[in-house]
Amino acid sequence: AQSVTQPDIHITVSEGASLELRCNYSYGATPYLFWYVQSPGQGLQLLLKYFSGDTLVQGIKGFEAEFKRSQSSFNLRKPSVHWSDAAEYFCAVVPPGSGYSTLTFGKGTMLLVSP
Amino acid sequence: KAGVTQTPRYLIKTRGQQVTLSCSPISGHRSVSWYQQTPGQGLQFLFEYFSETQRNKGNFPGRFSGRQFSNSRSEMNVSTLELGDSALYLCASSLSGVGGSKGEQFFGPGTRLTVL
Repeated sequence: AQSVTQPDIHITVSEGASLELRCNYSYGATPYLFWYVQSPGQGLQLLLKYFSGDTLVQGIKGFEAEFKRSQSSFNLRKPSVHWSDAAEYFCAVVPPGSGYSTLTFGKGTMLLVSP
Repeated sequence: KAGVTQTPRYLIKTRGQQVTLSCSPISGHRSVSWYQQTPGQGLQFLFEYFSETQRNKGNFPGRFSGRQFSNSRSEMNVSTLELGDSALYLCASSLSGVGGSKGEQFFGPGTRLTVL
């Protein structure tokens, strides 16, 4: 079945440590790829997106993501996590042939930052 | 530039009632999408409107409906509310759709609906 998977429901990282959140997709063709962040009580904010081209994408707040076609992955990374990064992170795709009007989301990964 | 606004922010209804939620997109945006967010099902696409026409629809029952006005403001309606409709309803706007040249949907803060 076509889907987007975030294998980790929760991740705890020490402040200052590096972070990698995993995202895998299962589609016949490469979808458009996004990472969003949601803080408690807030809507979603776009961190970065990948449509084509350079497979390493830079986003806001010091985040980056790497698209790996061979692994059907689009993992989010940050070299040094700050306490304010604690939030829920969603990987999302625009499925190929969907008419470019829908986002399909993963289940999300809750990031906890320890002092 | 004002962001996406949603009203009301919180709603409490009882089973069997109906509810209307409103979304005002960013000025100039013509595409408005609606999503339902629940702890069990996560974020699910409801429908998308573009220039007053429903362009895409998710897998939800007919009790969920929407519309878009000429000023791009959108409303969604849920009739005959069920307990399972309790959720955060998010609205997102974009210039021409999430895969358009800008490729970004801007989300509102959501409306928290509780059905008792």
